[in-house]
Amino acid sequence: KAGVTQTPRYLIKTRGQQVTLSCSPISGHRSVSWYQQTPGQGLQFLFEYFSETQRNKGNFPGRFSGRQFSNSRSEMNVSTLELGDSALYLCASSPGWGTDSEAFFGQGTRLTVV
Amino acid sequence: GESVGLHLPTLSVQEGDNSIINCAYSNSASDYFIWYKQESGKGPQFIIDIRSNMDKRQGQRVTVLLNKTVKHLSLQIAATQPGDSAVYFCAENPSDDYKLSFGAGTTVTVRA
Repeated sequence: KAGVTQTPRYLIKTRGQQVTLSCSPISGHRSVSWYQQTPGQGLQFLFEYFSETQRNKGNFPGRFSGRQFSNSRSEMNVSTLELGDSALYLCASSPGWGTDSEAFFGQGTRLTVV
Repeated sequence: GESVGLHLPTLSVQEGDNSIINCAYSNSASDYFIWYKQESGKGPQFIIDIRSNMDKRQGQRVTVLLNKTVKHLSLQIAATQPGDSAVYFCAENPSDDYKLSFGAGTTVTVRA
């Protein structure tokens, strides 16, 4: 069974631009979560989607948004990029929440804002 | 807000010895806990999980212990190997919260 796939692996963007990151979950998994990882803040929760609905959102500004498609694939978008948005963005997929909650992560997208 | 934390940021272990990584959590509503291993340049890798109705769970060379009374979680790695060198995170999932809260991580270095 293929794992969680995130594309692209690396991105370099300029301040003020916007970026879209993609995540394909493990086949059969319906929950997709996004996390931001930085050396200073660690792993911080961005948002979680299940069956195309956002069920939870972390404490990030509105510049951070996401969506999930009917095939469970998810995208996150960051608009008006700031230098502080440079981070590793991780996507995790899970069958759901409750009985089977194991969350498996992709390798991440390394975003550098210059 | 409530968060999960690790007692030590770094741990140096002799190859072949057992490792113990500790984690304290503060959210009493958490009912599911996971340990992850993250190697350089990779995403976190699921190691083992435990639910709040258990106090111990064993995997291959790893054991997770949960003490709900003092809100403490630990990961024991038996016969530590060089490939175990990584950053280890504990994560908690408050019931019905649809997210994981992570601790700061412990960097484990295995000495040959």
